[in-house]
Amino acid sequence: AQKVTQAQTEISVVEKEDVTLDCVYETRDTTYYLFWYKQPPSGELVFLIRRNSFDEQNEISGRYSWNFQKSTSSFNFTITASQVVDSAVYFCALSSHGGATNKLIFGTGTLLAVQP
Amino acid sequence: DTGVSQDPRHKITKRGQNVTFRCDPISEHNRLYWYRQTLGQGPEFLTYFQNEAQLEKSRLLSDRFSAERPKGSFSTLEIQRTEQGDSAMYLCASSLGSGGGQPQHFGDGTRLSIL
Repeated sequence: AQKVTQAQTEISVVEKEDVTLDCVYETRDTTYYLFWYKQPPSGELVFLIRRNSFDEQNEISGRYSWNFQKSTSSFNFTITASQVVDSAVYFCALSSHGGATNKLIFGTGTLLAVQP
Repeated sequence: DTGVSQDPRHKITKRGQNVTFRCDPISEHNRLYWYRQTLGQGPEFLTYFQNEAQLEKSRLLSDRFSAERPKGSFSTLEIQRTEQGDSAMYLCASSLGSGGGQPQHFGDGTRLSIL
């Protein structure tokens, strides 16, 4: 069975602090994809990044960086120098390459509150 | 580039009524998904269309739920004889059809409240 676990329910930081959101996944597939989405208070899920299971290179995009480690089945997300606009619920998700649908299996999300 | 559009944004109805939601995907996307999200949870997959064909339905989709995508463009999700437990945010997403792992792009959702 496929599963995504985001153990951190809520995180509160002060602006300019760095923060890491954890994501642990379970799958028996050898080819799969991992995603991060942001859901601000307005409600729309915004796509942030996709990684495939064969690419363990870390990625940096501005203040955002992602650390993918197959050995620990983790795909963690770090925000450097957090800003109030980063306040949102962040979801990690998994999809299988073998399935016909590429449906997403989401974690329960981490609510990030950045205080000014 | 218009994103995924969902209508209505909010729906309040009495238990036992039927409701229908509409989703207009990004125009060049041939894959369309419906998800349901309840408070404090991540979205859960309901059903998937590739063009006009409904290729997968979740066990969450009881026989009171039906979805269509008649011409491979917009899609509708109907819930018959609504129950309290149907109260949730219903999200539509679309993606390109080439290859696996294509990012899904979501609409703003339809929030359903059952009185």
